[in-house]
Amino acid sequence: QLKLQESGPGLVKSSETLSLTCTVSGGSMSSSSHYWGWVRQPPGKGPEWIGSISNSGSTYQNPSLKSRVTISIDTSKIQFSLRLNSITAADTAIYYCARGYYDLLTGYPKNFDQWGQGTLVTVSS
Amino acid sequence: QSVLTQPPSVSAAPGQKVTISCSGSSSNIGNNYVSWYQQLPGTAPKLLIFDSNKRPSGIPDRFSGSKSGTSATLGITGLQTGDEADYYCGTWDGGLSDAYVFGTGTKVTVL
Repeated sequence: QLKLQESGPGLVKSSETLSLTCTVSGGSMSSSSHYWGWVRQPPGKGPEWIGSISNSGSTYQNPSLKSRVTISIDTSKIQFSLRLNSITAADTAIYYCARGYYDLLTGYPKNFDQWGQGTLVTVSS
Repeated sequence: QSVLTQPPSVSAAPGQKVTISCSGSSSNIGNNYVSWYQQLPGTAPKLLIFDSNKRPSGIPDRFSGSKSGTSATLGITGLQTGDEADYYCGTWDGGLSDAYVFGTGTKVTVL
């Protein structure tokens, strides 16, 4: 059974960089059918897609966050990571890592079928 | 503000049926697969429907999905108390967003 687990600081100071890692267990990251992504959810609000990366390193990122986001993957360590720069209080949210599939015709991410439990990140001033 | 619009809430008695709509446009639902997610309180979203009308293994057939034009619908029959949750549609938006987008969310209440 595939399991994803987020790790990283729960409290980050405003203007600094948030770094999170997702460790995958119970499976591999070798399939070319999958994308590995990050989704966040501010308290009381709906989910927001941050970005996704394939095992070859191809990335898609939310344009609203693109200038501040870096997503990387290390298939040998079965991990992928998120860096979000210049964070503000608006970045306070539960951050989820997730696996998904992409549309074979368009190449775009089309769903997220396995999710981590999520980690709450609070931005302090 | 999401480009996918859902009703804020729907409710029904146990055993009844509810439907949740997800309204979009040609840049998202009209030309891409739709997924539906169930989010129980305090938990991560869970994939209920993919490719607009397919269920992952383990999802009961009480849950169904359909798509027509620029709208999608999630149906839940035989409503159970355990179905009380938030439900979100999701799809790729190739318009101004050029991003994977989630719907505004619908709270299902079992009366």
